Amino acid sequence: DAGITQSPRHKVTETGTPVTLRCHQTENHRYMYWYRQDPGHGLRLIHYSYGVKDTDKGEVSDGYSVSRSKTEDFLLTLESATSSQTSVYFCAISPQGREQYFGPGTRLTVT
Amino acid sequence: KQEVTQIPAALSVPEGENLVLNCSFTDSAIYNLQWFRQDPGKGLTSLLLIQSSQREQTSGRLNASLDKSSGRSTLYIAASQPGDSATYLCAAFYNQGGKLIFGQGTELSVKP
Repeated sequence: DAGITQSPRHKVTETGTPVTLRCHQTENHRYMYWYRQDPGHGLRLIHYSYGVKDTDKGEVSDGYSVSRSKTEDFLLTLESATSSQTSVYFCAISPQGREQYFGPGTRLTVT
Repeated sequence: KQEVTQIPAALSVPEGENLVLNCSFTDSAIYNLQWFRQDPGKGLTSLLLIQSSQREQTSGRLNASLDKSSGRSTLYIAASQPGDSATYLCAAFYNQGGKLIFGQGTELSVKP
C-alpha cells in the first residue's frame, strides 16, 4: 500500500445520494485505476486514467464517473448511489501501465 | 476472450508443507503475469511479476514460474506457515487492450 491512500476507508450512504471516493498517490505514476471487488465476480475495472485529464471506461463503468485534474489524485464519483454499488473499491497505480500496485480499499455500503 | 482461471478455489494444508498454486490463461500472448496476495479486508499486495520473456521469479520462499506455450503459471510456496494464509490472485497483462485480467483467486489456509 506504500504510496497509495484511499479516502474514506469506510462509508455508508443512502440510495440516491452522490458519493465521491478519492485515491491519492505519492509515486508520480502515470496510470491510475478504479476497480470494484465483489464475491463471485472478482476484481472488475471501472475506469482508468493514462494521464492528467485523460480517462477511459472499463468493463463496469455505468453509474460511475471519474476525474483526474492532478497526477496524484484520481476521483471516482457515483452520481446517484444504488444498492448494487455496495462493494469494496480499490484504486491501483502503474508507472507504465503493465504492472499495478493497489491501495487499501474503500468499503462502501449503500442502504 | 482472454480469461484467467485459478484452481482450486480453496486449499488447506498443514504447516511446513510445500505447496503449488495454479493459474491458467487462455491467450498465450501475455506481456507479463503478476501474483498478488490479499488478506481479509485488505488491499492486494504484489508478490512477484514475471515478464513474458522470463521462466521464473523468486522472492524468499516464493517462486513463480511461467509457461506461455501451455498457458500456465504456478506459485510455489516453500515451508508454508500460518502467516501465509490469505487469498492469492494471479493477473495477466495483455498489450492488446492494455488490461490486467484477474483470476478469481485461491484461498489458502495453513493450519498450525
